[in-house]
Amino acid sequence: DVKVTQSSRYLVKRTGEKVFLECVQDMDHENMFWYRQDPGLGLRLIYFSYDVKMKEKGDIPEGYSVSREKKERFSLILESASTNQTSMYLCASSLSGGALRYNEQFFGPGTRLTVL
Amino acid sequence: LAKTTQPISMDSYEGQEVNITCSHNNIATNDYITWYQQFPSQGPRFIIQGYKTKVTNEVASLFIPADRKSSTLSLPRVSLSDTAVYYCLVPTDYKLSFGAGTTVTVRA
Repeated sequence: DVKVTQSSRYLVKRTGEKVFLECVQDMDHENMFWYRQDPGLGLRLIYFSYDVKMKEKGDIPEGYSVSREKKERFSLILESASTNQTSMYLCASSLSGGALRYNEQFFGPGTRLTVL
Repeated sequence: LAKTTQPISMDSYEGQEVNITCSHNNIATNDYITWYQQFPSQGPRFIIQGYKTKVTNEVASLFIPADRKSSTLSLPRVSLSDTAVYYCLVPTDYKLSFGAGTTVTVRA
């Protein structure tokens, strides 16, 4: 089974702190994604990466950055956390084109981040 | 990315069939239609995907008419454990766009 793990299930931080959310996948997937999920808004894509050291902005990249130094690991960084970044953060991974189940993404359990 | 529209919520009872219809008027020729399911406190998981006509697996069936401008996810004989949010997506390349989904509540 594909496994996507996230470093924390719950996290509480203070405004202005630098926050690191870590995601690791064990299926040698090329693509990795970070989403945030808020009530009534669904999942919104923050950043994604299609290869090591490569990244592209999603729909809401402001206030976030990412790092992908190794294929299996994708980190989301909040440089200076703010209260409006309180949310559920979900990481996902997928194979590149040619996958039998086109575009299937495998999600981690999520990290619920609260910024006080 | 093709925009999708689906109902916000649906209620059902155990043993009934639940049908969720999604519209995707601007679907492109090469686009697939994909559905994900999300239980509370978990990430979404893929449940079914199709291109045209009908696809069935152990979880659900997906019906796609010839014009492909809509699709219907059918959950046969639902149980309480089928209570979840169901998302209809039309991915382009490897990018997915999730809307608010349809919250399905199954009651005893």
